[in-house]
Formats: sequence, structure tokens, C-alpha cells
Amino acid sequence: SQQGEEDPQALSIQEGENATMNCSYKTSINNLQWYRQNSGRGLVHLILIRSNEREKHSGRLRVTLDTSKKSSSLLITASRAADTASYFCATREIQGAQKLVFGQGTRLTINP
Amino acid sequence: DSGVTQTPKHLITATGQRVTLRCSPRSGDLSVYWYQQSLDQGLQFLIQYYNGEERAKGNILERFSAQQFPDLHSELNLSSLELGDSALYFCASSVVPLAGDTGELFFGEGSRLTVL
Repeated sequence: SQQGEEDPQALSIQEGENATMNCSYKTSINNLQWYRQNSGRGLVHLILIRSNEREKHSGRLRVTLDTSKKSSSLLITASRAADTASYFCATREIQGAQKLVFGQGTRLTINP
Repeated sequence: DSGVTQTPKHLITATGQRVTLRCSPRSGDLSVYWYQQSLDQGLQFLIQYYNGEERAKGNILERFSAQQFPDLHSELNLSSLELGDSALYFCASSVVPLAGDTGELFFGEGSRLTVL
């Protein structure tokens, strides 16, 4: 079963605008990760945020984590056409099996 | 290039057949994970191995099996194939079995299976 659910399922914006994607999850987690997937390709790790962190930055990426609401957001600033891809959040649960569970993803399209 | 190698890249077969997908993890990575990605199911975790031993199991069908060999490469065997098994199958590797606060996975490019 899916742990994370991304919102929106699809997002289309103009180049230069900011893109925000959200992820909600159900159980207590050890960390939350964001991955990017270009069409039909393998997933690429973007950023990891631990359960005791609230915000993290990496280049044009900003990730927030609210464990009380069991939610995270990924902000991509000054978007570029090359950012067009699907973005997935993934969570590692504290309890149970040590597996990384992915959401359904947000399909981001950047229009030039 | 993630350093994870998957073969074959594409595979077309018929219902009822059996296929084997192969994965070579990044040099030094002891953990291997298998995921299935289909259009209507997203990315589903199948199974994880760490240094040859099974560590975690997801919703893997009984018709599917996997193993990790002493040289750390892994194989995913899919048998009695059905139309619904058509999907992208990804292998990923990591240094540690998601212990502590590490856990970045490195994904291969996937094996696209089409069952006709």
C-alpha cells in the first residue's frame, strides 16, 4: 500500500515560476525523501529530510517537513524547462520493515 | 549514471512464461531493492536484500521470487506471467539497509516488461 500521497497529481507552470508539490503520509517516519523521474527513466534522489528537521535547502530546492501534520512540501524556485519530470516523495517508517515507500508522484510540466 | 545496471532494458514475452531480470548494484552497495512501476499502481516496493539475505518484503506475488548472490548482484524471477505484470521493474541499491538517518537509493534505468 502507498504511504505517501502527492498533491497535486499534475502541475503545469511557466518557466521562471515556482513549483510547489505536497506530500502527505500516514505513519511515523524516520526520514522523508524526494526523488525525480524523467519520463521512463530511473529515479534520482533529490533531497532527504530527517524527522527532527523542519526545513532543508539544496540549490533551487526547498523541502519542509511537518511531522505533526504528517506532510512535506517540495518547492522548486525559478523553474526551468529541464525541471519537467515526475516528483515522488518516499518515506521510511520507524516501525516495521526497513523499506522506502513511494507516493504516486506529481507530474510537473514547465512550459517555455 | 547511477552505477546500478539492469538487464535487459526491454523484454516482450507471452502470458504463462517466465523471465529473469538482473541487477548489478553500485560498487560497495550491500542493499538491493526491487520496485514495480505500472501506470495505475505507482511505484510498488517488492523486496529488499542486504548482503545476500532478505530484509524486507512488500506486496510481492508468490509467482515472483528474488535472490541476491555472493557477488551482490540480484535477480528477480517472474513466472506464470499475466498481462497485468506488464510494468517497469526497477532495481535500486544503497550502502546500508536504511539504518539510521541514511537511506538514499540509487536506481537503475529499469527493465520494461511487456506481457502479450
